[in-house]
Amino acid sequence: SYVLTQPPSVSVSPGQTARITCGGNNIKTKSVHWYQQKPGQAPVLVVYDDSDRPSGIPERFSGSNSGNTATLTINRVEAGDEADYYCQVWDTSSDHPVFGGGTKLTVL
Amino acid sequence: QVQLVQSGAELKKPGASVKVSCKASGYTFITYDIGWVRQAPGQGLQWLGWIAGDHGKTNYAQRVQGRVTMTTDTSTSTAYMELRRLRFDDTAIYYCARKPRRFDAFDVWGLGTMVTVSS
Repeated sequence: SYVLTQPPSVSVSPGQTARITCGGNNIKTKSVHWYQQKPGQAPVLVVYDDSDRPSGIPERFSGSNSGNTATLTINRVEAGDEADYYCQVWDTSSDHPVFGGGTKLTVL
Repeated sequence: QVQLVQSGAELKKPGASVKVSCKASGYTFITYDIGWVRQAPGQGLQWLGWIAGDHGKTNYAQRVQGRVTMTTDTSTSTAYMELRRLRFDDTAIYYCARKPRRFDAFDVWGLGTMVTVSS
């Protein structure tokens, strides 16, 4: 089955740019979605279809997808962005979603 | 507004069954699918299965195949997930989430239902 690989942790200072990667075999051929999960809360969709944002998600959140790596970029990071971030694609061969292992974003 | 309201926390013994409900409001239930995802303490998201809101087609993850049944009641816009023969490692928060037909992400999530399996 399809596997998504994320770094366990990323650290960034407030105001800087955070980049969280999601690796998968030829992932550029898939639509990648990203979720933010703060402690004790349910996940929230922050980017879908590689780079689109649901309504209400700040423009500071953006996504890209190329080759074997998709990237979630958070510009001008704020303390409130500290959370776990998960990438997700749909495995068409088995018709089910696949989640990455998650990345903990720490704002220093 | 669009909401998924889940049933309350459950404490079960090994070997028992649990049925979690997920009541939808604020949208046309049958035009979306519902997915079920769980998260064990300190762990990541683990997909369990999904069910079509209209015709009830299901697809279950291999890890729970044979122990899980997902259903919907369109008259009350409610989805259900029943997990049988519970094991200690089924202890987790169980989320339902809405999936639009036009893309493959889950755009609205319930708050989760904590299921604890303990003797």
